[in-house]
Amino acid sequence: AQSVAQPEDQVNVAEGNPLTVKCTYSVSGNPYLFWYVQYPNRGLQFLLKYITGDNLVKGSYGFEAEFNKSQTSFHLKKPSALVSDSALYFCAAGHSNTGNQFYFGTGTSLTVIP
Amino acid sequence: GAGVSQTPSNKVTEKGKYVELRCDPISGHTALYWYRQSLGQGPEFLIYFQGTGAADDSGLPNDRFFAVRPEGSVSTLKIQRTERGDSAVYLCASSIGAGGSTDTQYFGPGTRLTVL
Repeated sequence: AQSVAQPEDQVNVAEGNPLTVKCTYSVSGNPYLFWYVQYPNRGLQFLLKYITGDNLVKGSYGFEAEFNKSQTSFHLKKPSALVSDSALYFCAAGHSNTGNQFYFGTGTSLTVIP
Repeated sequence: GAGVSQTPSNKVTEKGKYVELRCDPISGHTALYWYRQSLGQGPEFLIYFQGTGAADDSGLPNDRFFAVRPEGSVSTLKIQRTERGDSAVYLCASSIGAGGSTDTQYFGPGTRLTVL
């Protein structure tokens, strides 16, 4: 079965410190990996995606993620966290055999402490 | 430019009633998706349209759920004989539709359905 795991429900980080939000996946075939952010009462906003090529992907608002095939991971990172980064983050995966269906993780709540 | 819009933003209904949830995708996007997000969970796939046809409805939980997209733009998710377990946020997304699961899906704000 295809699945995405976000092992941490909650991540706290001090403003200005680097942040990491973890994601691992289990899909057959070539994975396509996405990160979305959700603010309260707002829809999911696209941050970045990995399809092929360079394992380090850069996205919106200074976020980046690294695809690691051997560890089946796609962790989201940012060198210096802002209070405004506080939100709910979702990792999602699709692959060449799923058609257009995405599999989402359960989300990680990020709190950046001033 | 306009994003994906969904109406209503909130819907409260009684058990056993029929509800319709509407989605307006981004103009020009041929692919449209419905997801359901329960509290504390990630979005769960329901159905995917390519144009007017449902290309994949494997996520619909049972035959009380049905969705249409008659003109290849606006879509309506229909739920018959609602149950309390149907309470969730229903999300709609659209994508340009050219690249399969490599396409970025753009999400609407969702409709929060509460079944009393």
